[in-house]
Amino acid sequence: AQSVTQLGSHVSVSEGALVLLRCNYSSSVPPYLFWYVQYPNQGLQLLLKYTTGATLVKGINGFEAEFKKSETSFHLTKPSAHMSDAAEYFCAVGLSGGYQKVTFGTGTKLQVIP
Amino acid sequence: DAGVIQSPRHEVTEMGQEVTLRCKLISGHNSLFWYRQTMMRGLELLIYFNNNVPIDDSGMPEDRFSAKMPNASFSTLKIQPSEPRDSAVYFCAGQGTQYFGPGTRLTVL
Repeated sequence: AQSVTQLGSHVSVSEGALVLLRCNYSSSVPPYLFWYVQYPNQGLQLLLKYTTGATLVKGINGFEAEFKKSETSFHLTKPSAHMSDAAEYFCAVGLSGGYQKVTFGTGTKLQVIP
Repeated sequence: DAGVIQSPRHEVTEMGQEVTLRCKLISGHNSLFWYRQTMMRGLELLIYFNNNVPIDDSGMPEDRFSAKMPNASFSTLKIQPSEPRDSAVYFCAGQGTQYFGPGTRLTVL
């Protein structure tokens, strides 16, 4: 069984401030981990993914996430928030070896305050 | 381009009517996923195909839902008869959820 927990359904940051979106996972096997972004009335877009290897993963739009096995976490960060980052972000976990049975978190809506 | 196209983008129908949602994969996919998104339940995996074969349909809510993938680039999700609780945004995704379509917003009155 696998699951993800996203802490905070809504996060507000000032433009230019650090973005930190929290995700903790549970998986009985080594996981694949993902972050997606969803803009209003659009589908999900893959920001980044962790499969194996380097634990710090860089994605699009300046986002990165670090896989910490000891903390079962995969938090998403961006050094400086931009107005265009306002969206909903989903963390997801999948079974290693493939992308099947990906389980999504409940999402975190990011608000960027000018 | 490994895109995903869905049609229609919006569908409004009355309870009891048949609804067919379509998904087209643009090259390079060997798997296809159907997800449903609602405020109450978030993103739910309904069914996924690998090489056109249904692998896991345990997420299909009930017998009113059916999905087919007649070839490597096309799939349909059918609801018959539709009910108001089926109202949601339905997403198709390819290449192991790496590529999502824009979704079909279904409203059942």
